Amino acid sequence: AAGVIQSPRHLIKEKRETATLKCYPIPRHDTVYWYQQGPGQDPQFLISFYEKMQSDKGSIPDRFSAQQFSDYHSELNMSSLELGDSALYFCASSLQGATGELFFGEGSRLTVL
Amino acid sequence: AQSVAQPEDQVNVAEGNPLTVKCTYSVSGNPYLFWYVQYPNRGLQFLLKYITGDNLVKGSYGFEAEFNKSQTSFHLKKPSALVSDSALYFCAVRGYTGRRALTFGSGTRLQVQP
Repeated sequence: AAGVIQSPRHLIKEKRETATLKCYPIPRHDTVYWYQQGPGQDPQFLISFYEKMQSDKGSIPDRFSAQQFSDYHSELNMSSLELGDSALYFCASSLQGATGELFFGEGSRLTVL
Repeated sequence: AQSVAQPEDQVNVAEGNPLTVKCTYSVSGNPYLFWYVQYPNRGLQFLLKYITGDNLVKGSYGFEAEFNKSQTSFHLKKPSALVSDSALYFCAVRGYTGRRALTFGSGTRLQVQP
């Protein structure tokens, strides 16, 4: 079965650079979530989109932005990168009307030097 | 606000013995509860969920969880642990209404010794 696809899997950036992560949800899933997991930490909710509109906002820094496109893929844009942004970034998808489990991608590991 | 507490950073158990990973939650109204497993540098894999109905929920790989409303708990259990069960386990919650994103606990590392 098709899963959530994230790219790139690994990314190395310098401080103050920008980075873009991409997420392709499971076909027919209408909701996308972004999570950030720091080293040894639990996943923290950043932002979600339903039918291409932002549906909820968590602890996403102002330096970050995201959007969902007409084909339902989503991109997380991160600017003015800081050392503390080094983390695993997960995308998850679900069906809005379903009973709730999120299906996660394998994550994108961002390292900021 | 919704929250999850996993009181144990690590649980050690011998292969073949039963295991329990503890979770308590706080949410307004009725909860949706989930367990996920994470292997090193991998995504979170869904194990099981409680929505409504029977308090004992069965999931993947022989895992089950017991919902206890009065104790606001959702402990993960397995009758006989395998070495391959060694991983990081996360409990998560969301309410019937409001935020649909899951709120995760801090995770419990399960170590099964041969």
